[in-house]
Amino acid sequence: GNSVTQMEGPVTLSEEAFLTINCTYTATGYPSLFWYVQYPGEGLQLLLKATKADDKGSNKGFEATYRKETTSFHLEKGSVQVSDSAVYFCALSGSAGYSTLTFGKGTMLLVSP
Amino acid sequence: GAGVSQSPSNKVTEKGKDVELRCDPISGHTALYWYRQSLGQGLEFLIYFQGNSAPDKSGLPSDRFSAERTGGSVSTLTIQRTQQEDSAVYLCASSLGSPSSGNTIYFGEGSWLTVV
Repeated sequence: GNSVTQMEGPVTLSEEAFLTINCTYTATGYPSLFWYVQYPGEGLQLLLKATKADDKGSNKGFEATYRKETTSFHLEKGSVQVSDSAVYFCALSGSAGYSTLTFGKGTMLLVSP
Repeated sequence: GAGVSQSPSNKVTEKGKDVELRCDPISGHTALYWYRQSLGQGLEFLIYFQGNSAPDKSGLPSDRFSAERTGGSVSTLTIQRTQQEDSAVYLCASSLGSPSSGNTIYFGEGSWLTVV
C-alpha cells in the first residue's frame, strides 16, 4: 500500500538558517504529492503540491521537487523565520481514481531568534 | 463561513458514553473526509464520502465507529461506547475533487476528544 516516511523531529534552527525536511514515499503508479503545515493552535493547511514527476511546488519561500527516481519530495527553504515554527506533514494521493491522502507522521520545526 | 466547520471543538466524555462529532464542509465540495490525529501517530484516515455514499471506509478502527453524510453536505462521525484510546483530534476535510487530480483538500480545525 501507499506510505510516507518523514524525518523525525523536532528540527531546531536559528532564524535565517537553511531548512530541509526529508520525505520519501512508496506508491504504485503516479501519485500527487503535498506538503501541509499546521501552525500552533491552527488547522492543517496546504503549503504546496506537485502532481507529476519533476514538478516543483513552491509557496511562501518553501520549495519541493517531485523526484520519481528517488521517490522523494523534500521540503526546503533558504532562510527560515520564527513564524515558520510549525508541524509539517508530507502526503500523497494515489494514482488517478484514488481519492484520499496518506500522510507522514509530521515533523516539528522550531525556529529561534 | 468559507471554511470547513467542525463542532464541538472540544469534548470531554466518560468512558462508555457515545459521542457525535459534526462536520460542515465547504459549500459545493462533493468529497468529505474524516481523519484522526493522535500524538506521535500523525494523521490516520478514517472514511471518505463522495456525495452521500462512502466508497472508502477502510480506516474505521472498529464497529464502534460509524459516519453518515446527508444531503451531500453535513457529516456526523459517531463513536459508541467510547474508550480511552479514542482520545484524539478528529479532523474533517473536504474537496471539490480527487487529490490524485491535484485538487486541494481543505481541513477544519478539528474536534478534540478526551475520554476519561
